Amino acid sequence: DTGVSQDPRHKITKRGQNVTFRCDPISEHNRLYWYRQTLGQGPEFLTYFQNEAQLEKSRLLSDRFSAERPKGSFSTLEIQRTEQGDSAMYLCASSGGGDTQYFGPGTRLTVL
Amino acid sequence: ILNVEQSPQSLHVQEGDSTNFTCSFPSSNFYALHWYRWETAKSPEALFVMTLNGDEKKKGRISATLNTKEGYSYLYIKGSQPEDSATYLCAFNWGNTGKLIFGQGTTLQVKP
Repeated sequence: DTGVSQDPRHKITKRGQNVTFRCDPISEHNRLYWYRQTLGQGPEFLTYFQNEAQLEKSRLLSDRFSAERPKGSFSTLEIQRTEQGDSAMYLCASSGGGDTQYFGPGTRLTVL
Repeated sequence: ILNVEQSPQSLHVQEGDSTNFTCSFPSSNFYALHWYRWETAKSPEALFVMTLNGDEKKKGRISATLNTKEGYSYLYIKGSQPEDSATYLCAFNWGNTGKLIFGQGTTLQVKP
């Protein structure tokens, strides 16, 4: 399968713990995006990378959130000191210069 | 504030019915309008990207139109089938920033 993959698919954690998610984009796609979707809402933009450079971050991305794309390939999204309000579906997408963004299946985070 | 509105929020139809949904978006600084289909436990699937006023796109029984001057797009499904059951999301690209601004989605249930 050559689509966007995300790991893990589900994560349950206790409040205050740190979590890290991984996204593997479609090979050769230079742009990578992170979105968050909460119940009843559409996905909300968090941040995006062009190659290894993080070009934009949403105000939704508090200091507890950090994203990296060290070699311009896979990306990680870390949430420190998780809160119950962080419970959501975290989606990753990639694009190769065209307008279409191709999404992964998401990581569903539940913070207890 | 950039806002994308979709209506209706949910729709229940019988197999064979035709249906349509609406997406409203800001008409200023328009770059592109995207439609996605998102089935439970799967990745959002790109249906259409439309950039020109008056664009019409078709994929099988699904088609979409775009009016950038008044800021709306319609998605039509002809002869709905149970496998069309999904959430349909529209997303707005503002000024080629790369990030997508999503509506809250329309959830379609097609009963056999």
